[in-house]
Amino acid sequence: QVRLVQSGAEVKKPGASVKVSCKASGYTFITSYMHWLRQAPGQGPEYMGMINPRDGSTTYAQEFQGRVTMTRDTSTSTAYLELSGLTSEDTAMYYCAKDPEYCDGGVCYMAYFDPWGQGTLVTVSS
Amino acid sequence: EIVLTQSPGTLSLSPGERVTLSCRASQRVSSDFLAWYQQKPGQAPRLLIYDVSSRATGIPDRFSGSGSGTDFTLTISRLEPEDFAVYYCQHYASTPYTFGQGTKLEIK
Repeated sequence: QVRLVQSGAEVKKPGASVKVSCKASGYTFITSYMHWLRQAPGQGPEYMGMINPRDGSTTYAQEFQGRVTMTRDTSTSTAYLELSGLTSEDTAMYYCAKDPEYCDGGVCYMAYFDPWGQGTLVTVSS
Repeated sequence: EIVLTQSPGTLSLSPGERVTLSCRASQRVSSDFLAWYQQKPGQAPRLLIYDVSSRATGIPDRFSGSGSGTDFTLTISRLEPEDFAVYYCQHYASTPYTFGQGTKLEIK
């Protein structure tokens, strides 16, 4: 079955960067877009952006433009999220989530999410 | 940006009851691009419904979705103990993709 396994919790100081990984298994990695979302305590999820694992192209939500970078390593079926310029407002659970659309070329995604990784807690504190 | 407003914020119910959760959009959600998720404490959200009314793989048929335009509902026909959780709606009609603030179902 499809499984997304994320890296462990991180504690960072304000101004630092964090890089979270998401290892996919159970399907062909390059055939589905991967999305990243985050969820602050007590809040609903917030969409951050997506990457096409086939060619590495990315689309970022406007709120994160300029300080988010999404990459992938097709040899290990792993997607990465890097967020820079961290503040206490970035303290949240970060999730990767697979797009359900099968993509064999071009732009093809639906932007709902199934399944999700288990989450990576990022805490920003001085 | 499409803002999704869920109501009520919290519902206290008993197992076996029927429940309807509401999700209202600030503007029309085109192509019925609306999904529902369930989230239990300490877990990631789980997809229940997509395209307004299609059940995701493995989701029991007591869960159903309906609606169109700006008003959408998730109905659970008969609550099981494992259904007590937080439920979120999400649209994917246009960027930015947004979620509602959630409805919490708690045991009465």
